[in-house]
Amino acid sequence: GENVEQHPSTLSVQEGDSAVIKCTYSDSASNYFPWYKQELGKGPQLIIDIRSNVGEKKDQRIAVTLNKTAKHFSLHITETQPEDSAVYFCAASKGGKLTGGGNKLTFGTGTQLKVEL
Amino acid sequence: GAVVSQHPSWVICKSGTSVKIECRSLDFQATTMFWYRQFPKQSLMLMATSNEGSKATYEQGVEKDKFLINHASLTLSTLTVTSAHPEDSSFYICSALHINTGELFFGEGSRLTVL
Repeated sequence: GENVEQHPSTLSVQEGDSAVIKCTYSDSASNYFPWYKQELGKGPQLIIDIRSNVGEKKDQRIAVTLNKTAKHFSLHITETQPEDSAVYFCAASKGGKLTGGGNKLTFGTGTQLKVEL
Repeated sequence: GAVVSQHPSWVICKSGTSVKIECRSLDFQATTMFWYRQFPKQSLMLMATSNEGSKATYEQGVEKDKFLINHASLTLSTLTVTSAHPEDSSFYICSALHINTGELFFGEGSRLTVL
Protein backbone atom coordinates (compact mmCIF):
# COMPACT_ATOMS: atom_id res chain seq x y z
CA GLY A 1 0.00 0.00 0.00
CA GLU A 2 0.86 3.66 -0.07
CA ASN A 3 3.40 5.06 2.37
CA VAL A 4 3.74 8.79 2.93
CA GLU A 5 6.66 10.29 4.79
CA GLN A 6 6.69 13.86 6.01
CA HIS A 7 9.47 16.13 7.24
CA PRO A 8 10.18 17.91 9.44
CA SER A 9 8.10 16.78 12.40
CA THR A 10 8.44 20.21 14.00
CA LEU A 11 9.21 23.55 12.42
CA SER A 12 9.69 26.87 14.15
CA VAL A 13 9.93 30.08 12.13
CA GLN A 14 9.85 33.77 12.82
CA GLU A 15 6.79 35.72 11.79
CA GLY A 16 7.16 36.86 8.20
CA ASP A 17 9.56 34.08 7.24
CA SER A 18 8.71 31.23 4.90
CA ALA A 19 7.99 27.66 5.94
CA VAL A 20 8.49 24.57 3.81
CA ILE A 21 7.20 21.10 4.58
CA LYS A 22 8.15 18.14 2.43
CA CYS A 23 6.49 14.80 1.75
CA THR A 24 7.40 11.73 -0.24
CA TYR A 25 5.10 8.96 -1.38
CA SER A 26 5.73 5.43 -2.52
CA ASP A 27 2.90 4.51 -4.88
CA SER A 28 3.44 5.91 -8.37
CA ALA A 29 -0.28 5.43 -9.04
CA SER A 30 -1.20 8.13 -6.52
CA ASN A 31 -2.53 11.15 -8.33
CA TYR A 32 -4.07 13.45 -5.74
CA PHE A 33 -2.13 15.25 -3.01
CA PRO A 34 -4.00 17.42 -0.51
CA TRP A 35 -2.58 19.35 2.42
CA TYR A 36 -4.50 19.79 5.66
CA LYS A 37 -4.18 22.13 8.60
CA GLN A 38 -5.30 20.80 11.95
CA GLU A 39 -5.72 22.98 14.99
CA LEU A 40 -5.76 21.51 18.45
CA GLY A 41 -8.90 19.48 19.15
CA LYS A 42 -10.35 20.03 15.70
CA GLY A 43 -10.70 18.11 12.48
CA PRO A 44 -8.34 18.69 9.55
CA GLN A 45 -9.11 21.47 7.11
CA LEU A 46 -8.08 21.32 3.47
CA ILE A 47 -5.82 24.27 2.64
CA ILE A 48 -4.58 23.36 -0.82
CA ASP A 49 -4.37 20.35 -3.09
CA ILE A 50 -2.68 19.34 -6.31
CA ARG A 51 -3.26 16.69 -8.90
CA SER A 52 -0.60 14.78 -10.73
CA ASN A 53 -1.11 16.59 -14.03
CA VAL A 54 0.07 19.85 -12.45
CA GLY A 55 3.53 20.71 -11.15
CA GLU A 56 2.69 23.71 -9.02
CA LYS A 57 -0.34 25.44 -7.56
CA LYS A 58 -0.56 28.65 -5.60
CA ASP A 59 -3.25 30.24 -3.47
CA GLN A 60 -2.21 33.57 -1.95
CA ARG A 61 0.49 32.78 0.64
CA ILE A 62 0.30 29.03 0.15
CA ALA A 63 1.81 27.02 -2.67
CA VAL A 64 2.35 23.35 -3.37
CA THR A 65 4.85 21.79 -5.75
CA LEU A 66 4.84 18.25 -7.07
CA ASN A 67 7.66 16.23 -8.58
CA LYS A 68 6.13 13.05 -9.96
CA THR A 69 9.42 11.58 -11.04
CA ALA A 70 10.92 11.86 -7.59
CA LYS A 71 7.56 11.18 -5.93
CA HIS A 72 7.68 14.11 -3.60
CA PHE A 73 5.61 17.19 -2.99
CA SER A 74 6.07 20.22 -0.80
CA LEU A 75 4.02 22.87 0.94
CA HIS A 76 5.32 26.42 0.95
CA ILE A 77 3.89 29.09 3.23
CA THR A 78 5.21 32.62 2.73
CA GLU A 79 4.94 35.61 5.06
CA THR A 80 3.99 33.36 7.94
CA GLN A 81 1.68 34.68 10.63
CA PRO A 82 1.03 33.46 14.19
CA GLU A 83 -2.34 32.09 13.09
CA ASP A 84 -0.52 29.74 10.74
CA SER A 85 0.67 27.84 13.83
CA ALA A 86 -0.91 24.38 13.69
CA VAL A 87 -0.18 20.81 12.66
CA TYR A 88 0.02 20.29 8.91
CA PHE A 89 -0.57 16.94 7.22
CA CYS A 90 0.13 15.93 3.68
CA ALA A 91 -1.79 13.07 2.13
CA ALA A 92 -1.92 11.03 -1.03
CA SER A 93 -4.57 9.02 -2.80
CA LYS A 94 -5.26 7.33 -6.09
CA GLY A 95 -8.64 9.00 -6.32
CA GLY A 96 -9.21 12.73 -6.35
CA LYS A 97 -11.88 15.26 -6.95
CA LEU A 98 -14.32 14.14 -9.60
CA THR A 99 -12.32 11.05 -10.38
CA GLY A 100 -13.90 8.61 -8.00
CA GLY A 101 -11.49 6.11 -6.55
CA GLY A 102 -13.04 6.66 -3.18
CA ASN A 103 -10.59 9.28 -1.96
CA LYS A 104 -8.93 6.80 0.35
CA LEU A 105 -6.25 9.03 1.80
CA THR A 106 -2.93 7.99 3.28
CA PHE A 107 -1.67 10.70 5.61
CA GLY A 108 1.84 11.79 6.40
CA THR A 109 3.01 11.91 10.00
CA GLY A 110 2.37 15.61 10.46
CA THR A 111 4.43 18.75 11.03
CA GLN A 112 3.93 20.97 14.04
CA LEU A 113 4.48 24.50 12.75
CA LYS A 114 5.11 27.25 15.25
CA VAL A 115 5.29 30.83 14.08
CA GLU A 116 7.00 32.99 16.66
CA LEU A 117 6.57 36.70 17.07
CA GLY B 1 -19.11 25.47 2.16
CA ALA B 2 -20.20 21.93 2.87
CA VAL B 3 -20.37 20.96 6.52
CA VAL B 4 -19.82 17.64 8.20
CA SER B 5 -21.03 17.42 11.77
CA GLN B 6 -19.90 14.90 14.36
CA HIS B 7 -21.75 14.16 17.55
CA PRO B 8 -20.85 14.00 20.32
CA SER B 9 -17.75 16.18 20.14
CA TRP B 10 -16.49 14.53 23.28
CA VAL B 11 -17.64 11.62 25.42
CA ILE B 12 -16.44 9.91 28.57
CA CYS B 13 -17.58 6.38 29.30
CA LYS B 14 -16.84 3.50 31.61
CA SER B 15 -14.86 0.51 30.47
CA GLY B 16 -17.10 -2.18 29.01
CA THR B 17 -19.80 0.12 27.73
CA SER B 18 -20.57 0.96 24.10
CA VAL B 19 -20.42 4.40 22.57
CA LYS B 20 -22.00 5.62 19.33
CA ILE B 21 -20.55 8.49 17.31
CA GLU B 22 -22.54 10.09 14.52
CA CYS B 23 -21.22 11.67 11.34
CA ARG B 24 -23.66 13.79 9.34
CA SER B 25 -23.27 15.65 6.10
CA LEU B 26 -25.49 18.66 6.72
CA ASP B 27 -25.99 20.16 3.27
CA PHE B 28 -24.95 17.46 0.86
CA GLN B 29 -25.31 13.75 0.27
CA ALA B 30 -22.49 11.27 0.65
CA THR B 31 -22.55 7.66 -0.49
CA THR B 32 -19.11 7.20 1.03
CA MET B 33 -17.81 8.26 4.41
CA PHE B 34 -14.52 7.45 6.06
CA TRP B 35 -13.68 6.90 9.72
CA TYR B 36 -10.23 7.72 11.10
CA ARG B 37 -8.62 7.37 14.49
CA GLN B 38 -5.98 9.76 15.73
CA PHE B 39 -3.92 9.20 18.85
CA PRO B 40 -2.26 12.22 20.54
CA LYS B 41 0.44 13.81 18.43
CA GLN B 42 0.02 11.18 15.75
CA SER B 43 -1.39 11.07 12.27
CA LEU B 44 -4.85 10.09 11.12
CA MET B 45 -5.19 6.37 10.53
CA LEU B 46 -8.00 5.14 8.32
CA MET B 47 -10.16 2.62 10.13
CA ALA B 48 -12.87 1.90 7.61
CA THR B 49 -14.78 3.05 4.58
CA SER B 50 -18.50 3.39 5.12
CA ASN B 51 -20.75 2.84 2.11
CA GLU B 52 -24.42 3.78 2.09
CA GLY B 53 -26.61 0.73 1.96
CA SER B 54 -23.81 -1.82 2.17
CA LYS B 55 -21.26 -3.21 4.57
CA ALA B 56 -18.29 -1.13 5.59
CA THR B 57 -14.82 -1.99 4.40
CA TYR B 58 -12.35 -2.23 7.24
CA GLU B 59 -8.61 -1.62 7.10
CA GLN B 60 -6.25 -4.36 8.08
CA GLY B 61 -6.00 -4.75 11.82
CA VAL B 62 -9.29 -3.02 12.63
CA GLU B 63 -11.80 -5.31 14.34
CA LYS B 64 -15.13 -5.03 12.58
CA ASP B 65 -17.00 -6.56 15.51
CA LYS B 66 -15.58 -3.98 17.86
CA PHE B 67 -16.03 -0.94 15.64
CA LEU B 68 -19.50 -1.25 14.17
CA ILE B 69 -20.28 1.03 11.27
CA ASN B 70 -23.71 1.75 9.89
CA HIS B 71 -24.38 4.02 6.90
CA ALA B 72 -28.14 3.94 6.77
CA SER B 73 -28.74 7.07 4.74
CA LEU B 74 -26.96 9.39 2.34
CA THR B 75 -26.29 11.86 5.13
CA LEU B 76 -25.51 9.75 8.17
CA SER B 77 -22.89 7.22 9.19
CA THR B 78 -22.43 5.96 12.73
CA LEU B 79 -19.46 4.37 14.45
CA THR B 80 -20.17 2.30 17.55
CA VAL B 81 -17.25 1.36 19.76
CA THR B 82 -18.43 -1.78 21.52
CA SER B 83 -17.18 -2.90 24.92
CA ALA B 84 -14.86 0.08 25.05
CA HIS B 85 -11.56 -0.14 26.92
CA PRO B 86 -9.06 2.55 27.92
CA GLU B 87 -6.90 1.75 24.90
CA ASP B 88 -9.83 2.79 22.67
CA SER B 89 -9.51 6.33 23.99
CA SER B 90 -8.73 8.44 20.96
CA PHE B 91 -9.88 11.20 18.65
CA TYR B 92 -12.25 9.77 16.04
CA ILE B 93 -12.70 11.76 12.84
CA CYS B 94 -15.02 11.17 9.92
CA SER B 95 -14.97 12.51 6.41
CA ALA B 96 -17.70 12.52 3.77
CA LEU B 97 -17.36 12.35 0.00
CA HIS B 98 -19.68 14.79 -1.76
CA ILE B 99 -21.90 12.74 -4.05
CA ASN B 100 -21.79 15.30 -6.85
CA THR B 101 -18.45 17.08 -6.69
CA GLY B 102 -16.27 14.28 -5.30
CA GLU B 103 -14.82 16.67 -2.73
CA LEU B 104 -13.95 15.30 0.67
CA PHE B 105 -15.02 17.15 3.80
CA PHE B 106 -13.92 16.37 7.35
CA GLY B 107 -15.85 16.52 10.57
CA GLU B 108 -14.56 18.26 13.68
CA GLY B 109 -13.79 15.00 15.43
CA SER B 110 -15.07 13.22 18.53
CA ARG B 111 -12.87 12.78 21.58
CA LEU B 112 -13.52 9.47 23.33
CA THR B 113 -12.16 8.85 26.82
CA VAL B 114 -12.71 5.43 28.36
CA LEU B 115 -12.19 5.22 32.09
